[in-house]
Amino acid sequence: KNEVEQSPQNLTAQEGEFITINCSYSVGISALHWLQQHPGGGIVSLFMLSSGKKKHGRLIATINIQEKHSSLHITASHPRDSAVYICAVRSGGSNYKLTFGKGTLLTVNP
Amino acid sequence: GAGVSQSPSNKVTEKGKDVELRCDPISGHTALYWYRQSLGQGLEFLIYFQGNSAPDKSGLPSDRFSAERTGGSVSTLTIQRTQQEDSAVYLCASSLAEASYNEQFFGPGTRLTVL
Repeated sequence: KNEVEQSPQNLTAQEGEFITINCSYSVGISALHWLQQHPGGGIVSLFMLSSGKKKHGRLIATINIQEKHSSLHITASHPRDSAVYICAVRSGGSNYKLTFGKGTLLTVNP
Repeated sequence: GAGVSQSPSNKVTEKGKDVELRCDPISGHTALYWYRQSLGQGLEFLIYFQGNSAPDKSGLPSDRFSAERTGGSVSTLTIQRTQQEDSAVYLCASSLAEASYNEQFFGPGTRLTVL
């Protein structure tokens, strides 16, 4: 079993829909990252959080440390949001090493 | 430069050849990381540098892989006697320091294809 599990693996939505991507992890962590990777593109860090909730534009990330679970929400989704979204955790025993989920491929159709 | 840069962006090589991949971190970032993204495997950690030293090489898949960093800046990842299973995108990231509150900034990656 991977230390970091994401669901769903693939997600197709219509423009304007509310999107939720989930991440569960099995180890104690010091931080959790949400990353975005466009096809053929580099990786962009969206959020780094260790508690609570963060919001940036139409993106919201939440984390529940007790339940070892995080969600990434996209409101009013747009075709340009189509990308792979990757959850990564920094385990409590390390200040730097990231363990990654396999990613969620999001396709938003116009 | 404004971000992390990597070169080459694409590399095609023959099995058995050596390759060198280069990473230029963001100026002032003391921590540097190499990751590999293989088809179906997702991203995996390879090696971490703090300054010029590599306190954690645990992710290097075999002794054919090595990395160095000079002047606390540029890093080179070398793969000797490449194998087809080395084909992947190799990503470099940097951060201000190793502390957990520091965000990692990723480069565009080098796509390595071993024929």
